[in-house]
Amino acid sequence: GAVVSQHPSWVICKSGTSVKIECRSLDFQATTMFWYRQFPKQSLMLMATSNEGSKATYEQGVEKDKFLINHASLTLSTLTVTSAHPEDSSFYICSARDIIRAGVTDTQYFGPGTRLTVL
Amino acid sequence: GENVEQHPSTLSVQEGDSAVIKCTYSDSASNYFPWYKQELGKGPQLIIDIRSNVGEKKDQRIAVTLNKTAKHFSLHITETQPEDSAVYFCAAHRLTGGGNKLTFGTGTQLKVEL
Repeated sequence: GAVVSQHPSWVICKSGTSVKIECRSLDFQATTMFWYRQFPKQSLMLMATSNEGSKATYEQGVEKDKFLINHASLTLSTLTVTSAHPEDSSFYICSARDIIRAGVTDTQYFGPGTRLTVL
Repeated sequence: GENVEQHPSTLSVQEGDSAVIKCTYSDSASNYFPWYKQELGKGPQLIIDIRSNVGEKKDQRIAVTLNKTAKHFSLHITETQPEDSAVYFCAAHRLTGGGNKLTFGTGTQLKVEL
């Protein structure tokens, strides 16, 4: 149980184009999902908190107009990198918080990540 | 906000030996501490977690200890195996308030040598 999937697993795009990454909780419902960014040999950096049915909460320094987040259902959140540039190349990872266990613990289950390369 | 420090950044052990990774946190209100294992090119996988009302938790070869007074917690892996080689991250979180965020340590690259 507690499986989170991401699609695509990797993507290469041209500078100036937009890329959408999907995050799904496969066997549980998640009112809250999180989007992280990770550079090589570094820790995970929280970009934003995605809440089902409401606007995402962005961390300081993260451009909300560049990284569009939509959380339309209890099992799906999407991150769209708009007008991507080479400096946006990174490993993007989502996580989901189990709604059932939310009152007991705050376990976050992570997806496998999406490697974005912008040429 | 919360600040989590993790040591060492790299750790090399012989197969069968034990490995210990230590983390300290700054926010005394943090009360949930998970540990994640991340293999190259993959997302982090939860391996064990502990809440602040418990001092120690064990799951087969993995154990976590928590000292709330000193605000530090540690991951212990016994009888290490080559497949334990990965990057390990500790994290701290407040179950109420705190914006529902996990604050991660900087990671430890564990290498188990044959």
